[in-house]
Amino acid sequence: EMQLVESGGGLVKTGGSLRLSCVASGSGFGNAWMIWVRQAPGKGLEWVGRVKNKDDGGTIDYAAPVKGRFTISRDDSKTPLYLQMNSLKAEDTGMYYCTAERSDGSHSIDDWGQGTLVTVSS
Amino acid sequence: EIVLTQSPGTLSLSPGERASLSCRASQRVNGNYLAWYQQRPGQAPRLLIYGASSRATGIPDRFSGSGSGTDFTLTISRLEPEDFAVYSCQHYGGSPLYTFGQGTKLEIK
Repeated sequence: EMQLVESGGGLVKTGGSLRLSCVASGSGFGNAWMIWVRQAPGKGLEWVGRVKNKDDGGTIDYAAPVKGRFTISRDDSKTPLYLQMNSLKAEDTGMYYCTAERSDGSHSIDDWGQGTLVTVSS
Repeated sequence: EIVLTQSPGTLSLSPGERASLSCRASQRVNGNYLAWYQQRPGQAPRLLIYGASSRATGIPDRFSGSGSGTDFTLTISRLEPEDFAVYSCQHYGGSPLYTFGQGTKLEIK
């Protein structure tokens, strides 16, 4: 089991930038596919982006609403994992969770951080 | 694009009762990639069921998942006070890669 701790959230103006960090402890970070998930206040969960592990090519994919504005980085399978968020919009407001997939190929999300809150306001 | 629609939006039941929550996909999906999560107020989600019917580690056996194709169900056989929460289904594959339902709120009647 992996323990995940996010940081870096806060209040930012529309058009601004933030970088979120995710520190992992326990076993499995290097082999895990890591995913950022967000949740707007009072709303459902939304996938933001995913980075595969190095052995699987380290491919990074993004959800359409954030593509071109957000960047996930993972340094040679070392913690922390980062989410760089640029050109922020009001609709990016929410809790951002760093998560990890199960390693069994089910593509379900087994490990969740406690989340870090991002508020975008003019 | 696959859309997951959960029903009902809110379910009001009493402790000890049986709960059935539905997750319907807009097109046929691979059940191996269908999961359920529980989210209590102020907490991160927790994986309950993966592969449509397999319980995650530490999940009580009163939780069960079933279904295939476009229709999936999460059943809680006898509700405990700590089960009142929001439940979401999730599928992997297609666009977007990870799709979540909008959630069902299970509240105490």
